[in-house]
Amino acid sequence: ETGVTQTPRHLVMGMTNKKSLKCEQHLGHNAMYWYKQSAKKPLELMFVYNFKEQTENNSVPSRFSPECPNSSHLFLHLHTLQPEDSALYLCASSPREGDQETQYFGPGTRLLVL
Amino acid sequence: GQNIDQPTEMTATEGAIVQINCTYQTSGFNGLFWYQQHAGEAPTFLSYNVLDGLEEKGRFSSFLSRSKGYSYLLLKELQMKDSASYLCAVRNSNYQLIWGAGTKLIIKP
Repeated sequence: ETGVTQTPRHLVMGMTNKKSLKCEQHLGHNAMYWYKQSAKKPLELMFVYNFKEQTENNSVPSRFSPECPNSSHLFLHLHTLQPEDSALYLCASSPREGDQETQYFGPGTRLLVL
Repeated sequence: GQNIDQPTEMTATEGAIVQINCTYQTSGFNGLFWYQQHAGEAPTFLSYNVLDGLEEKGRFSSFLSRSKGYSYLLLKELQMKDSASYLCAVRNSNYQLIWGAGTKLIIKP
């Protein structure tokens, strides 16, 4: 596979469930990002990892917990979510954080919290 | 605060030309990006401007005026497959990407 992949593509969960989103990039990049995309709103940057170290946490509630075991994999662990957390969660990667390179996005996970 | 403004929705006719505007107010400037996002799919990179002027890439062109905090994406010879959302994003002085909410472009036959 090439590019950035995300699993699952769709997820429905209750407010008491625990689930994880997975992102994998095959581009040899060193920076990975989690974004939240809600309808008619700008992309919201949630977390940034650069060379496996978290460099940004944009005041994201603790019910979202990222994990980056290596430069190719990124997880977002979810627990006790709220209905307003329903959105498209996008993963992206770039060669390094903060450089001039564009970011490459995965297809996203469409999350519905009931 | 920092913000990116672009129209919510635009409609155009197949074969025609459409211009999608983007105005920005950010803390510094280190480049402007345009992305295309089809419904249910990943945003894909279209263009990058860091200097004033027009960048042409096939049917798509992107213009930047840093003094006016303004950019536009020009799509020529519209095709039905161009129906998508177009996202404008600006990299500020801290190299953070500030995103617009996107413009949904509807192409009619």
